[in-house]
Amino acid sequence: DQQVKQNSPSLSVQEGRISILNCDYTNSMFDYFLWYKKYPAEGPTFLISISSIKDKNEDGRFTVFLNKSAKHLSLHIVPSQPGDSAVYFCAASSLFNAGGTSYGKLTFGQGTILTVHP
Amino acid sequence: ETGVTQSPTHLIKTRGQQVTLRCSSQSGHNTVSWYQQALGQGPQFIFQYYREEENGRGNFPPRFSGLQFPNYSSELNVNALELDDSALYLCASSSGLAGGAEQFFGPGTRLTVL
Repeated sequence: DQQVKQNSPSLSVQEGRISILNCDYTNSMFDYFLWYKKYPAEGPTFLISISSIKDKNEDGRFTVFLNKSAKHLSLHIVPSQPGDSAVYFCAASSLFNAGGTSYGKLTFGQGTILTVHP
Repeated sequence: ETGVTQSPTHLIKTRGQQVTLRCSSQSGHNTVSWYQQALGQGPQFIFQYYREEENGRGNFPPRFSGLQFPNYSSELNVNALELDDSALYLCASSSGLAGGAEQFFGPGTRLTVL
C-alpha cells in the first residue's frame, strides 16, 4: 500500500530551465508535506515543507504547491542548476495515535532522480 | 550546532548474526526515528523513540529493536539477520513528536548481509 507516490523515476532538465517534480498521496490524514534532497553516500537533506492549510510555500529557487482536493503536490525549482542534480523524495507526515501515545512518522515516495545538464 | 551522526558507516554481517547501529541526535532534539532504505526505494519508518521510550512502530518484526539514552542518542538492534535486511539505515532527529516538524537525517549506515 504505497500511500505516497512519485511516478517519475527520473527527470532531465537543462540548466536555467524549470524543474517540476510531482508527488501524489492517498491518505487524507496527512497534514504536513516535505521535500528532501539526497546525494549519494549522504542522508536526505530537508529542502522545503508545506502545511496542509496552505497551498504554496516559497523559499528562494524552490516552491512547493499543494492541491489537497487532488491529493497532489509538486516542487518547482527555478532556475535549475547542475548542483541540484540529486534524488528528490517527497514525504508526508501526520501525528498517529497508537495505544494511547502519539508519534509522528514520515512516509516517503520512491524518489525522483533529477539531472540538470549544463 | 552538531548535526545527526551515525556509526558505523558501513557494516558487513552474515545471516543469523546480530547488529547494533548507533545514532547521535542533533543538539536540542529529543526524538529519534529510524528508517530503512532499500535500494531504489524511499526510506521506510521502523520506529520512533521519545523520552527514552518507543512510542511508534512501522511494519517491522520484533527482531528490530532499539534504545534511547538520557542524552537522546539511540541504538537500533537487529537480531537473526536476513539477506533482505541489507539496506541503508537512517536515523533522524527532531524536536517533539514530529507530526508537523522537520526530521533531520544522519548520513546512514550501509548494512550488507551475506
